[in-house]
Amino acid sequence: EAGVAQSPRYKIIEKRQSVAFWCNPISGHATLYWYQQILGQGPKLLIQFQNNGVVDDSQLPKDRFSAERLKGVDSTLKIQPAKLEDSAVYLCASSLFQGLNTEAFFGQGTRLTVV
Amino acid sequence: GDSVTQMEGPVTLSEEAFLTINCTYTATGYPSLFWYVQYPGEGLQLLLKATKADDKGSNKGFEATYRKETTSFHLEKGSVQVSDSAVYFCALSDLDRDMRFGAGTRLTVKP
Repeated sequence: EAGVAQSPRYKIIEKRQSVAFWCNPISGHATLYWYQQILGQGPKLLIQFQNNGVVDDSQLPKDRFSAERLKGVDSTLKIQPAKLEDSAVYLCASSLFQGLNTEAFFGQGTRLTVV
Repeated sequence: GDSVTQMEGPVTLSEEAFLTINCTYTATGYPSLFWYVQYPGEGLQLLLKATKADDKGSNKGFEATYRKETTSFHLEKGSVQVSDSAVYFCALSDLDRDMRFGAGTRLTVKP
């Protein structure tokens, strides 16, 4: 079974530039998550999709971050403009469905460095 | 809100030593509890889980028991190997809520 695919693996940009990350979840997984993992911290949820609808985006900095999930499959996360504090690993995860007992499968992440 | 607190690292052990990584949680409901592991350069992988009180999750020699009375889910392994060196995350998932993670504990096992 193919896992969660993310690209790119690494990205270095200057502050105020824009950047986009792509995620392809496991086939058939209805729920897709984007997490931000700052060095030395646990992952923090940015946004959660159920199919192509947003379930939770309460921690997404909407003035600069946006995300979409096309046709309930692939997803993109965009940052515009980037700030130094956005330097982190951005993890995409998917699960069969939302809720209790549901295991999330993670991609390898995209390491973003903002200089 | 729901949260997870795990012991700060880093933890450094010799091969074959006993491992305990403490994890406690706060939740309004009855969450499921998880341990994820992150090897260098890789994404998070589920290590084990428990879905109700007194359940014991186990995998690859690791164990954790869901203790409702102490709101804990401590990770243990009787004899660690160098290949167990990684960052370990405790997490919880409650009904209709996203998965919440602890800050992670880095384990280094020396030969």
